[in-house]
Amino acid sequence: GAGVSQTPSNKVTEKGKYVELRCDPISGHTALYWYRQSLGQGPEFLIYFQGTGAADDSGLPNDRFFAVRPEGSVSTLKIQRTERGDSAVYLCASSPQGITDTQYFGPGTRLTVL
Amino acid sequence: KQEVTQIPAALSVPEGENLVLNCSFTDSAIYNLQWFRQDPGKGLTSLLLIQSSQREQTSGRLNASLDKSSGRSTLYIAASQPGDSATYLCAVLMDSNYQLIWGAGTKLIIKP
Repeated sequence: GAGVSQTPSNKVTEKGKYVELRCDPISGHTALYWYRQSLGQGPEFLIYFQGTGAADDSGLPNDRFFAVRPEGSVSTLKIQRTERGDSAVYLCASSPQGITDTQYFGPGTRLTVL
Repeated sequence: KQEVTQIPAALSVPEGENLVLNCSFTDSAIYNLQWFRQDPGKGLTSLLLIQSSQREQTSGRLNASLDKSSGRSTLYIAASQPGDSATYLCAVLMDSNYQLIWGAGTKLIIKP
C-alpha cells in the first residue's frame, strides 16, 4: 500500500516568508507526528496528533510554528516569518493507533531559507 | 534530560564482516527502544523495536539487544552487504511523555 507522502520534497524560500508543508499519512493511521532534522543530527520532535487534535505540541520551537489536521488525515505544518535557522528537513510519520506503535516515516521536505 | 549517544559516528567495513553499532542513553525510564535506518533522500525505516521488558529482538541478519539498567543497546549486523550502507539511528520512547528521543546516528559504509 501507499506509504507516508510529503509535499513538496524541496522548498526554497526567503527569510520572512510564510511556508506550508503537507503530509499525507498512511490511510487509517490515527496518529501523526512532525519532526525536524538538521544535518548530522537525529530528528527532533515537534508535534503529535491523535485524530484531529494535537495531543502534544511541546516540541514546537516558538509561536511561528503551527500545525493542523482538520479531518484527522492530512496534516499541514505552517511556518510564519521564516528564519534561516528554520532550514532543515521536516519529517512526517504516522502510526496505526497510538504513540507506542511503530512509526512509518515519509521522505521529508527539505526547507531552505535564504 | 534524556541524551542518546551513538558511537561511532561513522564506520566503514569490508563486505561480509559482522559488525556492532552502539547506542547509549542516560535515563533508563524508557518505554521502548527502536533502531531505524535512513537512506539519503529517503525517510526513516523502522528496523527493530525492543520493549523495555525485553532483552533482544531479531529480524533476519539483524539483532538488537537492550540493557535498560546500564542504558545501552547494540545493533548487530551479520554478514554485511553493500546494500546495508546507510545511517542507522536509535531512538528511545520516554515513559514520562512518550516522546521519541533520537541519537545522531552512525553512518555505515560497506565496501564491496
